[in-house]
Amino acid sequence: DAMVIQNPRYQVTQFGKPVTLSCSQTLNHNVMYWYQQKSSQAPKLLFHYYDKDFNNEADTPDNFQSRRPNTSFCFLDIRSPGLGDAAMYLCATSREGGARGYTFGSGTRLTVV
Amino acid sequence: AQSVTQPDIHITVSEGASLELRCNYSYGATPYLFWYVQSPGQGLQLLLKYFSGDTLVQGIKGFEAEFKRSQSSFNLRKPSVHWSDAAEYFCAVGAWNAGNMLTFGGGTRLMVKP
Repeated sequence: DAMVIQNPRYQVTQFGKPVTLSCSQTLNHNVMYWYQQKSSQAPKLLFHYYDKDFNNEADTPDNFQSRRPNTSFCFLDIRSPGLGDAAMYLCATSREGGARGYTFGSGTRLTVV
Repeated sequence: AQSVTQPDIHITVSEGASLELRCNYSYGATPYLFWYVQSPGQGLQLLLKYFSGDTLVQGIKGFEAEFKRSQSSFNLRKPSVHWSDAAEYFCAVGAWNAGNMLTFGGGTRLMVKP
């Protein structure tokens, strides 16, 4: 089945140690999104790629970066994780923009120790 | 810009009872409307969507939602709730004039009593 896959499901990292989360998709969607979701809150958009064009939300900290080497893969890099970055990170995809809805991955739960 | 409001942060219903989760949106034209469900530790799963046509849409797991333009609402309903329906529910609106982003409501946490 076509889907969005996030690895790993659970990630524990040390305070200040760079960490990378990955997302892959078999849907051939041209738009990929990264959301941060803290406990009992709605998902918050960090950035998205429209094809190769990177779009950063204005309030996304510089500590968060992203790479999209090809259509299928997108990575979220956290350069120096702080305790406040512990959250669920959700990857989503859409075709030609999200107005018609997104397909989400299962998420990566990040713990910072 | 569009916005979405889910007035109820928490709702508790008894198993077998009916359910209605409220969603109100603000947008100048007919939006695309969605309901997503999120079980603990999981991603968001699409329950149903409305683009146009029949204002009553059927989704997965026995859910339905009705688009009411006059009330700017898209409430989610289920006639008989099962314990496995306990989860977080998010309403979302999509609009072409907003960079094609989805805007999410704050979510409603559903608890089901045995």
